[in-house]
Amino acid sequence: DAKTTQPNSMESNEEEPVHLPCNHSTISGTDYIHWYRQLPSQGPEYVIHGLTSNVNNRMASLAIAEDRKSSTLILHRATLRDAAVYYCILRDYSSEYQGGKLIFGQGTELSVKP
Amino acid sequence: KAGVTQTPRYLIKTRGQQVTLSCSPISGHRSVSWYQQTPGQGLQFLFEYFSETQRNKGNFPGRFSGRQFSNSRSEMNVSTLELGDSALYLCASSQGQGADQPQHFGDGTRLSIL
Repeated sequence: DAKTTQPNSMESNEEEPVHLPCNHSTISGTDYIHWYRQLPSQGPEYVIHGLTSNVNNRMASLAIAEDRKSSTLILHRATLRDAAVYYCILRDYSSEYQGGKLIFGQGTELSVKP
Repeated sequence: KAGVTQTPRYLIKTRGQQVTLSCSPISGHRSVSWYQQTPGQGLQFLFEYFSETQRNKGNFPGRFSGRQFSNSRSEMNVSTLELGDSALYLCASSQGQGADQPQHFGDGTRLSIL
């Protein structure tokens, strides 16, 4: 499985946008880019995923570089509730059986200051 | 719509005992995956069940086993408990098997071994 690299930690101010980067230079053409986050004392939570085009949903936006070697999760207005560990994960749809297996790295710990 | 439910939330056992953890997936979800989370190793994939069959397995010893019932509920068993088995055990469910399917996590069972 292709690997991802994320900064260990980031800080943001409440109500300001946050851009969380992820590098995946060995990504293959069949890898989806997924983002999950884990709030304190909770299980991970699905945020967003994409393949080639930028994606938006009610939680966040995902910007994917043209060469797909990096991506950025964008939280448009950070709130205190967005303080969490954010994980960028690749999932290969061409594998014989991908199923539910997620390979988590260390993620980025985002702190939000009031 | 009810989320993924894991029981019990907390459990204390002693070395050498065995333990069974339970997971009820979101209604209609047929895939159930299990993960172990520790401060040192992070989130690690244990195994996945789909239609009562184990479809994918992580790198854990045979003391870790699981099963899935016809209603998609799943149980995970750990025998001959060791101190290193102290962890948060998370269950996730998804509707299908594709790499574009989001995984929905429960809040976990925290297992402490004395």
